[in-house]
Amino acid sequence: DAGVIQSPRHEVTEMGQEVTLRCKPISGHNSLFWYRQTMMRGLELLIYFNNNVPIDDSGMPEDRFSAKMPNASFSTLKIQPSEPRDSAVYFCASSLGGSADTQYFGPGTRLTVL
Amino acid sequence: DAKTTQPTSMDCAEGRAANLPCNHSTISGNEYVYWYRQIHSQGPQYIIHGLKNNETNEMASLIITEDRKSSTLILPHATLRDTAVYYCIVRVANRDDKIIFGKGTRLHILP
Repeated sequence: DAGVIQSPRHEVTEMGQEVTLRCKPISGHNSLFWYRQTMMRGLELLIYFNNNVPIDDSGMPEDRFSAKMPNASFSTLKIQPSEPRDSAVYFCASSLGGSADTQYFGPGTRLTVL
Repeated sequence: DAKTTQPTSMDCAEGRAANLPCNHSTISGNEYVYWYRQIHSQGPQYIIHGLKNNETNEMASLIITEDRKSSTLILPHATLRDTAVYYCIVRVANRDDKIIFGKGTRLHILP
């Protein structure tokens, strides 16, 4: 299996622009997670889906952030408009069951907002 | 979830056993101890988990004290590729609680 796939691996954009991050979970996994990692705040959960339905989005920082999972093999995290403080590494992870199961992480997307 | 306490950083010589401690004195009876690690520029990677018995897999061993208030992750023969941040997490295994990653221990394997 190819593991969790994320794209792009690096993204540089200017403040105010829309950013879309993509994730393909491991085939057969029912749960998908979006995390953000910064030096200041460490690794924090933004949102997680189970069977394509958002279960917990309490970590989404504000309305500028939105996530979708239109089918079992694809999810997006969108930031609109982007701000410099959104600069971070964004990880996607998937698990076979819910959040209780072992999570397998993708390589991350390093986002820089100028 | 119960909180954990880990040393900020540790050094270990290549080829030796790396022993990473974790304190979880407020752990509940139904909470498991999980270990993940994060190698630089990569996503976190699951290592091992256990409830009260010692566990071993191809990556590491997990030793949990009888009172379950602390545990030790053992990498039996550390290599340079084991340099990473190691996270100790306690959580209920069959409940939809989010994983809370703390600061972890930054392990440096020295050549």
